[in-house]
Amino acid sequence: GAVVSQHPSWVICKSGTSVKIECRSLDFQATTMFWYRQFPKQSLMLMATSNEGSKATYEQGVEKDKFLINHASLTLSTLTVTSAHPEDSSFYICSASAGQADTQYFGPGTRLTVL
Amino acid sequence: KQEVTQIPAALSVPEGENLVLNCSFTDSAIYNLQWFRQDPGKGLTSLLLIQSSQREQTSGRLNASLDKSSGRSTLYIAASQPGDSATYLCAVPTQYNFNKFYFGSGTKLNVKP
Repeated sequence: GAVVSQHPSWVICKSGTSVKIECRSLDFQATTMFWYRQFPKQSLMLMATSNEGSKATYEQGVEKDKFLINHASLTLSTLTVTSAHPEDSSFYICSASAGQADTQYFGPGTRLTVL
Repeated sequence: KQEVTQIPAALSVPEGENLVLNCSFTDSAIYNLQWFRQDPGKGLTSLLLIQSSQREQTSGRLNASLDKSSGRSTLYIAASQPGDSATYLCAVPTQYNFNKFYFGSGTKLNVKP
């Protein structure tokens, strides 16, 4: 089956620093990748959709300058949380799809804790 | 805006019981509906996907039904086992943007040995 990995699985950083999270499709080419955020005991909220080689589309209320998304290749997308603050602490999950109407495969998630 | 609700929020049952998890959605114009499993601190595992034209899907001890007109889906788990303990999420992409998932807040299931 299709496998999506994320790195790191968890990260702790100081307030004001930037953190980069990687999402990789290991055995298929992902033309579209999605980034979700999940707060404790809440559901997943879609943050943005990225298509390889083009700018990401952000959901309403998500700051694009705060959450920088790059999808430079068909197997890698990165999410950079810039100038992180404690309220950015969350579980970030990516998913990848081989095409617009194809199944999304989810990564294992990255736990971000900002001190 | 699509709203997805799952009831109950938590469920604790003894091993061997059959159980039903409920999911409701406000906009019936859906492309499909998926049920996922999420283990603590982990990502999502897709369990079942029901296309909008289907009424149900089965995989092993799992059976999911879909009543699009009433905005409801149920996940039936037969002969529950401790290994079924996890949070179960339902998600619907809209018909207008099938890449955009709306997730329910999940049902946390605990199956006691």
